[in-house]
Amino acid sequence: KAGVTQTPRYLIKTRGQQVTLSCSPISGHRSVSWYQQTPGQGLQFLFEYFSETQRNKGNFPGRFSGRQFSNSRSEMNVSTLELGDSALYLCASSSIPTNTEAFFGQGTRLTVV
Amino acid sequence: GQQLNQSPQSMFIQEGEDVSMNCTSSSIFNTWLWYKQDPGEGPVLLIALYKAGELTSNGRLTAQFGITRKDSFLNISASIPSDVGIYFCAGRRNYGGSQGNLIFGKGTKLSVKP
Repeated sequence: KAGVTQTPRYLIKTRGQQVTLSCSPISGHRSVSWYQQTPGQGLQFLFEYFSETQRNKGNFPGRFSGRQFSNSRSEMNVSTLELGDSALYLCASSSIPTNTEAFFGQGTRLTVV
Repeated sequence: GQQLNQSPQSMFIQEGEDVSMNCTSSSIFNTWLWYKQDPGEGPVLLIALYKAGELTSNGRLTAQFGITRKDSFLNISASIPSDVGIYFCAGRRNYGGSQGNLIFGKGTKLSVKP
């Protein structure tokens, strides 16, 4: 069974640009969560989607948004990029929201210059 | 955002030694998870704990869900070089019947001297 797939693995963007990251969950998993990982703040929850609906949202500005498609694939978008958005963005999938075992992808390393 | 208190932050140990790390919180959690992350990779789930007092093993790894539900412990026995990495604890709480998001500790960086 394939794991969680995140694309791209690496991205370099300029301040002010926007970026879209993609996550394909484990086959059969319908819940997708996104996390931002930085050396200073550690792993911070961004949002969670289940059946195309956002169930939960962390304390991030509105520049961070996401969506989930009918095939459970998810995208997150960051608009008007800032230097502080440089981070490893991780996606985790679970079979259902109440299933607490979350499996992570390899992440997308975003660098904002 | 809220985080768990994970300690120690880092440790160097001799191959073959046992390792202990823990996470504490001021809040009660319903689930504790332990992950390991290698450089450039995403966290890999090691052990999941669902009940207060639960003790679960995965090979040389053993984790416990604290009786108070505010802490959890991870032990690695007879460490080997491939145990090197960063170990994270994560907790999840229930809110009125629905699951909250995972809250992570800042990690314990494990280095093993060969």
